[in-house]
Amino acid sequence: DAKTTQPNSMESNEEEPVHLPCNHSTISGTDYIHWYRQLPSQGPEYVIHGLTSNVNNRMASLAIAEDRKSSTLILHRATLRDAAVYYCILRGTGNQFYFGTGTSLTVIP
Amino acid sequence: DAGITQSPRHKVTETGTPVTLRCHQTENHRYMYWYRQDPGHGLRLIHYSYGVKDTDKGEVSDGYSVSRSKTEDFLLTLESATSSQTSVYFCAISESTSGRARAGELFFGEGSRLTVL
Repeated sequence: DAKTTQPNSMESNEEEPVHLPCNHSTISGTDYIHWYRQLPSQGPEYVIHGLTSNVNNRMASLAIAEDRKSSTLILHRATLRDAAVYYCILRGTGNQFYFGTGTSLTVIP
Repeated sequence: DAGITQSPRHKVTETGTPVTLRCHQTENHRYMYWYRQDPGHGLRLIHYSYGVKDTDKGEVSDGYSVSRSKTEDFLLTLESATSSQTSVYFCAISESTSGRARAGELFFGEGSRLTVL
């Protein structure tokens, strides 16, 4: 199963953009790239997903490298409520989701 | 939002006793999953189901069994609980047949905290 690699932790100042990187060098052509986040004491929640093209929604943007071996989740203006663990996941045709340890984002007021 | 209910939400038990956690959904989602979450390990997939009576192992399935006799319920059983199975267990669902969910989006329950003494 394809795996992802993320930094353990990152910090950002409030109201500044945040770029969360993810490497997935073994991605296959049919794997979707998903991002989830987990707030303290809650289950993970969906953020965004994509296959090849960059994606935008009200929460974030997803930038996917041309070779699809890496991607970046972009939070345009970090708020204190964005402090969470962010998971980059590959979803294959079997619909399995393997989470890993994610990136713990700290937002500094 | 998808309706997912986990029960019990908290349980304390002793080593060697059987434990069953229940995940109930009201959204007719095809796929159901059980994860465990431990400090330093993130979320790890235990078992998943892709339909009634169709289940498969995840990455940490040893010591766990599952059953899905109807679409809405997915049971996780620890036949003989051990202290290493102390964890927070999350159920998740995806791929709604109703068409309301985003394709492939996972919805999580609130978690079940299990302590094995």
